[in-house]
Amino acid sequence: AQSVSQHNHHVILSEAASLELGCNYSYGGTVNLFWYVQYPGQHLQLLLKYFSGDPLVKGIKGFEAEFIKSKFSFNLRKPSVQWSDTAEYFCAVLSSGGYNKLIFGAGTRLAVHP
Amino acid sequence: EAGVAQSPRYKIIEKRQSVAFWCNPISGHATLYWYQQILGQGPKLLIQFQNNGVVDDSQLPKDRFSAERLKGVDSTLKIQPAKLEDSAVYLCASSFRADRNTASEQYFGPGTRLTVT
Repeated sequence: AQSVSQHNHHVILSEAASLELGCNYSYGGTVNLFWYVQYPGQHLQLLLKYFSGDPLVKGIKGFEAEFIKSKFSFNLRKPSVQWSDTAEYFCAVLSSGGYNKLIFGAGTRLAVHP
Repeated sequence: EAGVAQSPRYKIIEKRQSVAFWCNPISGHATLYWYQQILGQGPKLLIQFQNNGVVDDSQLPKDRFSAERLKGVDSTLKIQPAKLEDSAVYLCASSFRADRNTASEQYFGPGTRLTVT
């Protein structure tokens, strides 16, 4: 079965630090990949997605992710974080066997200190 | 555009009681999803509807969980009887349409936090 692994469960950074959150998926075929974010007290919302084409994907709020097929990875990056980036981040892959079925990683909780 | 609506936002029940959650998707969205998110884990798909038909309920514990979407719009998810391990956030999501060959962005509601004591 497909799976998604997020390496860090908790990350603590100071403002202006660079961010990289790891994500690895298990499926070797064509993949559709997503990063979702959940700010405190809010619902899950899409940060960015990769379907095909340029492996460097840019999302909202200055986030980007790079799809590296040879490493089965889709890491999320931001060059300079802000306090408002404090949230939980989920990587997800679209299941190859379902109808638009998302398989999520366990999430990474990011805390940014001023 | 109104988002995905869910109610209630919070529910506390005792084990062996029953509970129901309601979801109203974004207008025009044919596909509706129910996810279970246990603390410390990512959301897990329980059931997916395409209009009023079920397309995936492989991870729904059918001995206690049921869901319906009778008119192809809003949906209810029921647990009867509840167990302690059902404590979780239940998320509803919707997408414009979904099939095996097309990926469609899912929009999530605020969730219902269930505590079973």
